[in-house]
Amino acid sequence: AQSVSQHNHHVILSEAASLELGCNYSYGGTVNLFWYVQYPGQHLQLLLKYFSGDPLVKGIKGFEAEFIKSKFSFNLRKPSVQWSDTAEYFCAVNAGGSYIPTFGRGTSLIVHP
Amino acid sequence: SQTIHQWPATLVQPVGSPLSLECTVEGTSNPNLYWYRQAAGRGLQLLFYSVGIGQISSEVPQNLSASRPQDRQFILSSKKLLLSDSGFYLCASSTGVEKLFFGSGTQLSVL
Repeated sequence: AQSVSQHNHHVILSEAASLELGCNYSYGGTVNLFWYVQYPGQHLQLLLKYFSGDPLVKGIKGFEAEFIKSKFSFNLRKPSVQWSDTAEYFCAVNAGGSYIPTFGRGTSLIVHP
Repeated sequence: SQTIHQWPATLVQPVGSPLSLECTVEGTSNPNLYWYRQAAGRGLQLLFYSVGIGQISSEVPQNLSASRPQDRQFILSSKKLLLSDSGFYLCASSTGVEKLFFGSGTQLSVL
């Protein structure tokens, strides 16, 4: 069975700092990759996704992620974070055409103003 | 897009009491439906998923069960709650391999 690893469980940054959250998965075949975000008091929602094509995908609110197949990674980045980016971030993978995503443990991001 | 209605938002139940959490979906038909449990620092654990009415698959053995009596209704139940059933429960919906839409969750406290 596939697994998803998010190595940073808690990240604390100041506004304007750059962000990179790591996500690695264990599956050798075709994957669909997702980042979800849960702002305080809100539903989990999709931030961005990769199915095929350009491995650098853009999401909402200035986030982007790069799929590196050789490294089995899908890291999330943002060049300059804002206080409003404080949230929990989850990486998820659908492996082999499955409709059942496997989620990472999540990363709690706190941005200080 | 899909809208997930999930209730109640919070629930406090004594050990040994029954449980019924309900989830309904708007904006799509024949969705895939999911129940997840979210624990701090442990991500989302898939409990049950369903691809159609009456079709339920369980991912982990536990004290809980799920049912899908209608196309867009998914119910999480227990006959006798345990302390370890406390947690945050999320209902989700999807169409195929596309993204999941999540409900607002139920915080269950078993005392």
